[in-house]
Amino acid sequence: GQNIDQPTEMTATEGAIVQINCTYQTSGFNGLFWYQQHAGEAPTFLSYNVLDGLEEKGRFSSFLSRSKGYSYLLLKELQMKDSASYLCAVRDGSSNTGKLIFGQGTTLQVKP
Amino acid sequence: EPEVTQTPSHQVTQMGQEVILRCVPISNHLYFYWYRQILGQKVEFLVSFYNNEISEKSEIFDDQFSVERPDGSNFTLKIRSTKLEDSAMYFCASKGQGRNQPQHFGDGTRLSIL
Repeated sequence: GQNIDQPTEMTATEGAIVQINCTYQTSGFNGLFWYQQHAGEAPTFLSYNVLDGLEEKGRFSSFLSRSKGYSYLLLKELQMKDSASYLCAVRDGSSNTGKLIFGQGTTLQVKP
Repeated sequence: EPEVTQTPSHQVTQMGQEVILRCVPISNHLYFYWYRQILGQKVEFLVSFYNNEISEKSEIFDDQFSVERPDGSNFTLKIRSTKLEDSAMYFCASKGQGRNQPQHFGDGTRLSIL
């Protein structure tokens, strides 16, 4: 079966660091993506991991451990505009066109 | 920066009617997708399209659904006879060639079935 788990909600303070975890059990694996989604808007691509380790992109970093079926998204120097849902998505390795399997999303609220 | 565009942004339709949701993918992309997101739920894969044919479809994508690429730019999703449970946000996405390329999503069409 396919299962991707993320915390439902998180709260953090402006200027702080927050880590959003994602665990997955999927029949195949061909990469993990993080997307940001503001309410009523499209998911926007943030980062991609296919090999173990850390990928850094400005204030955002993402980590992957394939053996543990685990990833996290790290957001530094939080800003109010970072309040959004963060979606963990696994690219299905058994799919020939790379369909994405999404988690429920983590709603992050950044407070002043 | 090129983007995926979708029309209309909101569609209200009576149950049983046909709807067509339209998408213009990023111009040099080769892979096209439709996803849906029921309010408060996760984004779900519907169908992928490559080389002018359906590559893969989910259990949700039954005989009431069809996709078409009528010309070189548009990619449409048709729901033949809508049901109340089809009410959702429908996202189109496209992807370029290359293993590491992400899918880029449009702003979605909110479909409301009455």
